Amino acid sequence: DARVTQTPRHKVTEMGQEVTMRCQPILGHNTVFWYRQTMMQGLELLAYFRNRAPLDDSGMPKDRFSAEMPDATLATLKIQPSEPRDSAVYFCASGLAFEAGEQFFGPGTRLTVL
Amino acid sequence: AQSVTQLGSHVSVSEGALVLLRCNYSSSVPPYLFWYVQYPNQGLQLLLKYTSAATLVKGINGFEAEFKKSETSFHLTKPSAHMSDAAEYFCAVSEGNTDKLIFGTGTRLQVFP
Repeated sequence: DARVTQTPRHKVTEMGQEVTMRCQPILGHNTVFWYRQTMMQGLELLAYFRNRAPLDDSGMPKDRFSAEMPDATLATLKIQPSEPRDSAVYFCASGLAFEAGEQFFGPGTRLTVL
Repeated sequence: AQSVTQLGSHVSVSEGALVLLRCNYSSSVPPYLFWYVQYPNQGLQLLLKYTSAATLVKGINGFEAEFKKSETSFHLTKPSAHMSDAAEYFCAVSEGNTDKLIFGTGTRLQVFP
């Protein structure tokens, strides 16, 4: 069945290293969302794309985070340089624009920055 | 601006007891409302959604929620809890004419035998 996939599922890295997380949205979906989940802050929206165009990245630290959609089947979230405070679970979700907002979530990437 | 408030960050029930998870919303327009569930080490999964059709919405795993405009509420219920219902539950409201969802802070449900 159709589902959102994310790679890697787990990532341990050292402070200062670049981290790239990838997401494959469900085929045919034209909205993609990146979220970050931590115990302290809960679920935060980092960035949001519609038809591959970034519509809102106000939740993302611009100096170190970047999000792109090179094509309709791939979304990437990069952190450079990474910091310990970036340790979190990062979720990608996809959906259909204007379809009552339903989003389908991937399994997440658990990032640990030492 | 739209928002949701989930009352109670933790709820504990006995197996077989009624589950009631509370959600109140704030919206200047007729809202779309959602309940998502997150099992340990997994992503969020849609339980049910309200999109202005029937006010009583049935979802997966025996859950249902009732939209009450007069109370601005969308509480989630299940008549009889099962051990497998232990998870975190998120209420969400769609944000105006965007595709974004505004999530509540979540309620962790524990089910005791």
